[in-house]
Amino acid sequence: GAGVSQSPSNKVTEKGKDVELRCDPISGHTALYWYRQSLGQGLEFLIYFQGNSAPDKSGLPSDRFSAERTGGSVSTLTIQRTQQEDSAVYLCASILPRGLNTEAFFGQGTRLTVV
Amino acid sequence: AQKITQTQPGMFVQEKEAVTLDCTYDTSDQSYGLFWYKQPSSGEMIFLIYQGSYDEQNATEGRYSLNFQKARKSANLVISASQLGDSAMYFCAMREYDNDMRFGAGTRLTVKP
Repeated sequence: GAGVSQSPSNKVTEKGKDVELRCDPISGHTALYWYRQSLGQGLEFLIYFQGNSAPDKSGLPSDRFSAERTGGSVSTLTIQRTQQEDSAVYLCASILPRGLNTEAFFGQGTRLTVV
Repeated sequence: AQKITQTQPGMFVQEKEAVTLDCTYDTSDQSYGLFWYKQPSSGEMIFLIYQGSYDEQNATEGRYSLNFQKARKSANLVISASQLGDSAMYFCAMREYDNDMRFGAGTRLTVKP
């Protein structure tokens, strides 16, 4: 596709339910990032995938969060047993890392509301 | 771990004036890239400008310029001739070679008519 696509754009879920957020990066982009942005706040790093390397999971806030990237393309962020503090916008970005000067392209985000 | 610091939670500027948004960073790497992004109220992330650690010249893109002071580890964004449409959140970010990309807490810029 022309850009990074995230789905759903909005998700309302009940506390305790599991949710899956999807990110479809730009074709050919080997690096993919997930961030979380609470209302009015900065971007909190969650996880980073680069090619076939083991992902950098150092930003995942708890073991309720997990992510995978299948075939080096689409990524899914899963939040188990959602809590109200998980409510935020989840942003995905991809890069074709030909060097340090390539910027990250962001999707429009998924707004997650846990009620 | 990387650390990006933006010390100005909010800034105001009069339309047509210039404004500087501060960013300092911490890294032990010699090779890294610095980025600025704009996030309007719509939520999209818009890339503005890039500065490489080995670039000797300060980056410029239209009304945006980056005041890069490597020894001080600062990468301030200068917006000249501010416009009402510049009102947004601005994020500084850094990426080290083959590493994740970390962002600062952001600065909310308000341009006053």
